[in-house]
Amino acid sequence: DADVTQTPRNRITKTGKRIMLECSQTKGHDRMYWYRQDPGLGLQLIYYSFDVKDINKGEISDGYSVSRQAQAKFSLSLESAIPNQTALYFCAPEGRVSSYEQYFGPGTRLTVT
Amino acid sequence: AQKVTQAQTEISVVEKEDVTLDCVYETRDTTYYLFWYKQPPSGELVFLIRRNSFDEQNEISGRYSWNFQKSTSSFNFTITASQVVDSAVYFCALSEGMEYGNKLVFGAGTILRVKS
Repeated sequence: DADVTQTPRNRITKTGKRIMLECSQTKGHDRMYWYRQDPGLGLQLIYYSFDVKDINKGEISDGYSVSRQAQAKFSLSLESAIPNQTALYFCAPEGRVSSYEQYFGPGTRLTVT
Repeated sequence: AQKVTQAQTEISVVEKEDVTLDCVYETRDTTYYLFWYKQPPSGELVFLIRRNSFDEQNEISGRYSWNFQKSTSSFNFTITASQVVDSAVYFCALSEGMEYGNKLVFGAGTILRVKS
């Protein structure tokens, strides 16, 4: 797998708070993605990055921002959390030629009260 | 626009039964990838298979098999002789383009419950 770490793994926060979810990978993959999972909706793409200087919005980027601090790190921020951002968040570095697989991190379960 | 439909919200079977999970996709591209992922109760996403649009050969991996039919835009997943450990949510996903895996569009998932 891509040795993906997500922190925190679980977080409860209050409405209006700023929170950052972090993702790091050790395989040197250029491309990284943030997805959100809501029950019954599958996963939806929030943001993706093809390299440190290339950040792109996904389907549901409103209310989120990202930072690609280094090739290995891609952080997702909720500037002012709201309850409907309660979800499971996955980071996914993208594998290269030999695999073409998209590995997912272990996920961060975020609850906004 | 891309779209993936998993019409079966939930399936319950008894251990050792065969079960097929349906996946229908929509895309305008002629080159694309199709994926299946498993999400066990622990929550992680486990990659199962990737298939490119030029390869319609069916694939078998142990008790798992996949049937890709471009004519019906379907990529169905069959588990033979199901086991309790197969209980999970299964996602079908699509990405357009042949460069890496690209961005994924997921179906809503099918919950599979295998009872002993």
